[in-house]
Amino acid sequence: TQLLEQSPQFLSIQEGENLTVYCNSSSVFSSLQWYRQEPGEGPVLLVTVVTGGEVKKLKRLTFQFGDARKDSSLHITAAQPGDTGLYLCAGRRAGSYQLTFGKGTKLSVIP
Amino acid sequence: KAGVTQTPRYLIKTRGQQVTLSCSPISGHRSVSWYQQTPGQGLQFLFEYFSETQRNKGNFPGRFSGRQFSNSRSEMNVSTLELGDSALYLCASSLAQGLNTEAFFGQGTRLTVV
Repeated sequence: TQLLEQSPQFLSIQEGENLTVYCNSSSVFSSLQWYRQEPGEGPVLLVTVVTGGEVKKLKRLTFQFGDARKDSSLHITAAQPGDTGLYLCAGRRAGSYQLTFGKGTKLSVIP
Repeated sequence: KAGVTQTPRYLIKTRGQQVTLSCSPISGHRSVSWYQQTPGQGLQFLFEYFSETQRNKGNFPGRFSGRQFSNSRSEMNVSTLELGDSALYLCASSLAQGLNTEAFFGQGTRLTVV
């Protein structure tokens, strides 16, 4: 059983459209991080959320941490081809230094 | 400030051989974690080192081992390679000050076992 479930697994959209990616768990996390990874490269950290209900914005990207700290979402407004990549969420549980990753959402933005 | 450096970037090995991968963390970072990434399983945690001590270990066989040196550089070793060990091996470093510490990844080592 995957501790962090990401949905959808694949997403193909036209440039300019909006999208939301979800990261859900039955476990509580002390923090949650979102990464973007391009083929053959390592994941690049986008944001860390630590407080239940927290919302962070990074240009066209909006990240939200659920009130119960069990889920998170990533919303992209007016997607661009440069947003193409694998989006990964990763959670750290209280008392642990280990990051647990979801399997990712593979996003393709078509020009 | 230099990022996380992993060497080599690519590696091809034969079944039964052993391999050593290297990771140099961001300067000042004392924690190094290793992950295996495959298309089917995603990123799976191998182990984490802090100040030369293994602090956490994932659910991998004993063929996978690692160590950390006094300068925080880390190596991981895989012995008796199997075809299923083919993967992208990623190293991440962090300050490890408090539990909400961010992890920064290297570009990875692509291991192919033939």
